[in-house]
Amino acid sequence: AQTVTQSQPEMSVQEAETVTLSCTYDTSESDYYLFWYKQPPSRQMILVIRQEAYKQQNATENRFSVNFQKAAKSFSLKISDSQLGDAAMYFCAYGETSGSRLTFGEGTQLTVNP
Amino acid sequence: EPEVTQTPSHQVTQMGQEVILRCVPISNHLYFYWYRQILGQKVEFLVSFYNNEISEKSEIFDDQFSVERPDGSNFTLKIRSTKLEDSAMYFCASSRDENIQYFGAGTRLSVL
Repeated sequence: AQTVTQSQPEMSVQEAETVTLSCTYDTSESDYYLFWYKQPPSRQMILVIRQEAYKQQNATENRFSVNFQKAAKSFSLKISDSQLGDAAMYFCAYGETSGSRLTFGEGTQLTVNP
Repeated sequence: EPEVTQTPSHQVTQMGQEVILRCVPISNHLYFYWYRQILGQKVEFLVSFYNNEISEKSEIFDDQFSVERPDGSNFTLKIRSTKLEDSAMYFCASSRDENIQYFGAGTRLSVL
């Protein structure tokens, strides 16, 4: 079974600084998707960014970017110019074909200090 | 922007009672899902639904759970006889064809 591991239960960053959240996963598949979701105190799950495993280019969405290392099965999230509104729980998730389940990591609680 | 809508936002029930959690997925989406998150824990997959039938279910999704798409827009999760350990946040999600799953705001279920 696929597993997703987030080894940092908590991280903190100063406003305007950069922070990187780590994620590793285990799979025997060659084609899959990886995601980062943000869960603020409201507990809504908000998609931050998505990476397709067949694409070598790292995904970026404004201040959010990933470092996808397929051979190492690593998928980290970099948040640049951190803002107070970035404070949330961040979940890394793995999925396969359309319609398949997402497997989530344990989450990393990010605090942004003013 | 289209979104997944869940009702109610908070449901309180007595142990042993039946509850129905409701979801309206994004209108042109084809795949529907339920997940749950016990407080302080990771999000766990329950079931996925496609073409009016269950396509995958987890070991959590036992006989006390059922799902239904009764009228082409709503997608419901029924828990037949609730237990204390069913207390959790329940998320509905939907996707189209690239497995980008969009989540609703969740229903917090409290079983007393």
